[in-house]
Amino acid sequence: AQSVSQHNHHVILSEAASLELGCNYSYGGTVNLFWYVQYPGQHLQLLLKYFSGDPLVKGIKGFEAEFIKSKFSFNLRKPSVQWSDTAEYFCAVNAVGTNAGKSTFGDGTTLTVKP
Amino acid sequence: DTGVSQDPRHKITKRGQNVTFRCDPISEHNRLYWYRQTLGQGPEFLTYFQNEAQLEKSRLLSDRFSAERPKGSFSTLEIQRTEQGDSAMYLCASSYRTSDEQFFGPGTRLTVL
Repeated sequence: AQSVSQHNHHVILSEAASLELGCNYSYGGTVNLFWYVQYPGQHLQLLLKYFSGDPLVKGIKGFEAEFIKSKFSFNLRKPSVQWSDTAEYFCAVNAVGTNAGKSTFGDGTTLTVKP
Repeated sequence: DTGVSQDPRHKITKRGQNVTFRCDPISEHNRLYWYRQTLGQGPEFLTYFQNEAQLEKSRLLSDRFSAERPKGSFSTLEIQRTEQGDSAMYLCASSYRTSDEQFFGPGTRLTVL
């Protein structure tokens, strides 16, 4: 069974600070990895995804994430956060192959950016 | 197409009543998923359809829960004899291919009194 662990439950930063949110997953096979974001009052939407190839992937709004297979990690980064990045961030993993289908989500990290 | 839609957005019911939620996926997506989310947690998988076939059900889905996707388009999730523990946000998502990114609807917030 898959599991996802997000280490930071609540992060508070000032504008222009750098961001790194941790995500580790547990699954023995091939996975696709995702970061979703939920802005206040809005529904979940995709921030970025990794399927294969370059382990450093870039998403919308200046976010990027690096897949480190040996560490089962897919950490999210942004060099300089803005007040509008205040949201809840979810890491998710989908198995590829016979167990494909559902997404397994972490419990989320609430990011608050102070202006 | 404006994305995944869910109806109703909010439902308040008394314990023991039955409730039904509807999800309309993005039209060209043949995969449809139901999740449940409670405060402070990420979405938890409930069940998944490929076209009209229900391919996987979580053990979270007790026999009081049933989901259908009769024509491979919209889906319904019914909860019978609701309990206070069923209070949660019920999310629907759809995707074009298995293991693809999923597109989420706004959710139905259920409150069981």
